[in-house]
Parts: sequence; structure tokens; C-alpha cells
Amino acid sequence: GESVGLHLPTLSVQEGDNSIINCAYSNSASDYFIWYKQESGKGPQFIIDIRSNMDKRQGQRVTVLLNKTVKHLSLQIAATQPGDSAVYFCAEKEGGGGTSYGKLTFGQGTILTVHP
Amino acid sequence: DVKVTQSSRYLVKRTGEKVFLECVQDMDHENMFWYRQDPGLGLRLIYFSYDVKMKEKGDIPEGYSVSREKKERFSLILESASTNQTSMYLCATMKEGGNYNEQFFGPGTRLTVL
Repeated sequence: GESVGLHLPTLSVQEGDNSIINCAYSNSASDYFIWYKQESGKGPQFIIDIRSNMDKRQGQRVTVLLNKTVKHLSLQIAATQPGDSAVYFCAEKEGGGGTSYGKLTFGQGTILTVHP
Repeated sequence: DVKVTQSSRYLVKRTGEKVFLECVQDMDHENMFWYRQDPGLGLRLIYFSYDVKMKEKGDIPEGYSVSREKKERFSLILESASTNQTSMYLCATMKEGGNYNEQFFGPGTRLTVL
């Protein structure tokens, strides 16, 4: 999972494996969460979001799981591909759902490397 | 397709210089943001703007100012650059009343202050 420090957590997987990236969030009042993907030399790109009234949400090849009891969020990527190699980070937001009212607090990220 | 462009990908400046980072968007979005991204700290909000000539401080505005004279352009200004402002700077946009799942980021400017 993510932690404070100069070195990002890393995850190395083989192509075709499933990947699980974890995020521990800090604010029990947060009710909206986002996962981002950031490829080298690019800005963050939205992957999937989830509101606190859900514990699971699925997208294309990605699933986000939310455990509010332990304030834990995970991103699962099925059949990981080399193109999935990037930094992945979560963000949490307090109140107001996903709207612009209220600021995002970002995690530091996890480096995912997919080996062919 | 939303396009958010930043004036420079890489920039090297000297301590004490005045630095301008420009961000331009073509989607007519009302909200624009400036973040900095540092290893181990994630993205931190410096300033945001919800309309022309309007601005709000984010979490770390010290040492920075912003300008929004036109809707499509949001500038970040370092009045007197310091080495602790060496960082990746990211601009983002979002339409008024939009959700963060519709926030679009530029490619970033990596600024080094010597």
C-alpha cells in the first residue's frame, strides 16, 4: 500500500496476471474516491471512481473495492498488459460526492511494472 | 477531446528569477487548477480558479500567485523562484458543477530551480 516517503511502493507483475494496488486513506468523512493512472511524461488520467455508499465498482478490466471500516481502497486490474505500466494513485474527497465542492487529497502512488 | 496544454515540458531557472507557467484549455471549462507533484507527497493543490479573474488558495499557495485574465488560460507565477519549488507542476480543468471524474490534466511542466 501507499505510505509517506521518498520512494514509491512498487509492484511488478507478469503480463496476463491480475494486479492489486492498495491505498489507505485517512479521513473517515471522505465519501468519494478516485483512482488515477499516470504514465511517464503525462498527466494523471482518471480510471474509476466510487462513492462511499458502495463497496465495489467495476469498469473495463478494473475493479475498485472500498472497505470503509478499515479505510482501505484497492484497485484490481485483470489480465494486466504492458500498457498498464504506470504510477497509480488514489484520491479521497470529503463531502459533496464527486463534485467540485471540496478538495481532493491525493495518495503518493504505486509504480506498476508489467513484464511481457 | 479535451485538450489541456502547458507551455513547457521542462524548465530550468535560477534562484530569484520570476517564472511563469502557462496552461491553456480548449473546452470552455470554468474551473482550472494548479497542482505540484513531489515524490512521496502526491499532488498538492496550489491555487484554483472558478472563473475569469477569480482565484482561491489551495493547500500550499505560499511563494506562488496566479492570473486568470481569459477563461482558457490560467497562469502560475513564481515571483522569486527558490530551490524548494523544484517540482512537477500540473494544470487541470473541470467544468462548472462537474465531477472530479471529469477533471482533465495537462502533461505537466518539470521545473528545476538551481
